[in-house]
Parts: sequence; C-alpha cells; structure tokens
Amino acid sequence: GEDVEQSLFLSVREGDSSVINCTYTDSSSTYLYWYKQEPGAGLQLLTYIFSNMDMKQDQRLTVLLNKKDKHLSLRIADTQTGDSAIYFCAALFSGGYNKLIFGAGTRLAVHP
Amino acid sequence: EAGVTQFPSHSVIEKGQTVTLRCDPISGHDNLYWYRRVMGKEIKFLLHFVKESKQDESGMPNNRFLAERTGGTYSTLKVQPAELEDSGVYFCASSQWTSGSAYNEQFFGPGTRLTVL
Repeated sequence: GEDVEQSLFLSVREGDSSVINCTYTDSSSTYLYWYKQEPGAGLQLLTYIFSNMDMKQDQRLTVLLNKKDKHLSLRIADTQTGDSAIYFCAALFSGGYNKLIFGAGTRLAVHP
Repeated sequence: EAGVTQFPSHSVIEKGQTVTLRCDPISGHDNLYWYRRVMGKEIKFLLHFVKESKQDESGMPNNRFLAERTGGTYSTLKVQPAELEDSGVYFCASSQWTSGSAYNEQFFGPGTRLTVL
C-alpha cells in the first residue's frame, strides 16, 4: 500500500532552523501536507503544497518538494519554543475520496 | 465557529467491553473521516462518510468496528468487543464537499485516547 515515512525525533536550539524530512511512495499524490499536533490538541494544518510546485514559503515556513525523489521537507526558520510539537507529513491518496496517508510524525524539541 | 469535537477525550475499558466514540463535525461539512494512531505509529485512515453514506471504509480493521452517521450530522464509532490492539488515539476530521476538486482541507478534532486493558 501507499506509505509515508519520516524521522521520529529532531532536537534544535531556539533561534536555529529546523528541517523535517519526509518521503512518500504514491507518485500520483496531488497534494502533500504538513500537520502540527501540540499536546492535548488535534491536528492543525500548517501548510500544503500542490504537486506541480517545487517550493512554497509562508512566513517562517518553507516547504520543498522533490517529486522525482518523492521527498518533502519542512523548514522552520528561527525556531521558537512554541514550535515544539509533533509534525506529521501526509499525502493525498491518488485513488480518490480525499483519504490522507500519514507518516508516524516527527517530534520536534526546541531547547534554549 | 466551533471546530470538530470528540467525546470522550479519554476512555479506559477492559478487553471484551464495548466502547462508543462520538464525533461532531463542523456544521455544514458533508465529509467526515475517522483515523487512528496506534502506539506512536502513523495515523491510519479508517473510513470516510459523505453525509450519511459510507464512501470508503477500506481502513476499518475488522467487523468489531462499526461506524454510523445517521442523519448526516454527528458520527459514532463503536468497538465491540474491544481488544488490546485497539488501544490508540482515534481522530475525527471533517471537510466541505467540493465536487470535482481534489483538495479539501480536513479539520481535525482533538482525538479520543482509548486504552484497552
């Protein structure tokens, strides 16, 4: 079946940049997403990118998509303690019905 | 505008018991999805309703799981009888229906943490 993989843990110093990486198998996915989950909260859509784009920037967030390698990354500039959370990469399943295929989540820890 | 709500937030039951989870989607959202995250692993799709109809239930693990959405508003997910491996966080999401569009942002609830002992 379709699969999304991401590293499980990332630790960065406050003020540094964070880069969270993700690979996916469904080459026909039209949309790829980054969701953020803070403790006790639901999943919040951070950003998404359409498959015909290479890059999308939104304030401190930069998404890079390498469609050839099926690799997606999320860069957070000037990482703050409030960015500590679990970040999920997801791909829209190309078989229809808007089903999302998620990775296992990357826990980002920001320390002073 | 109220977001997606789920009840209960936590449930602890014994193996063999029955549990019913409830999801209230955002008002007016025709699409309702159930997902599950087991033991820190990936979040897996369970099923998708469009209004009261099951559009895709390919992710339902077995016939111990029954989802309903009577009247096309809130949805329930019943597990009967519960097994140890059913423990995890059950997320509900909803989205508006957009005919012919591939993109449809899904808004997630906070999840129900189910522990089966």
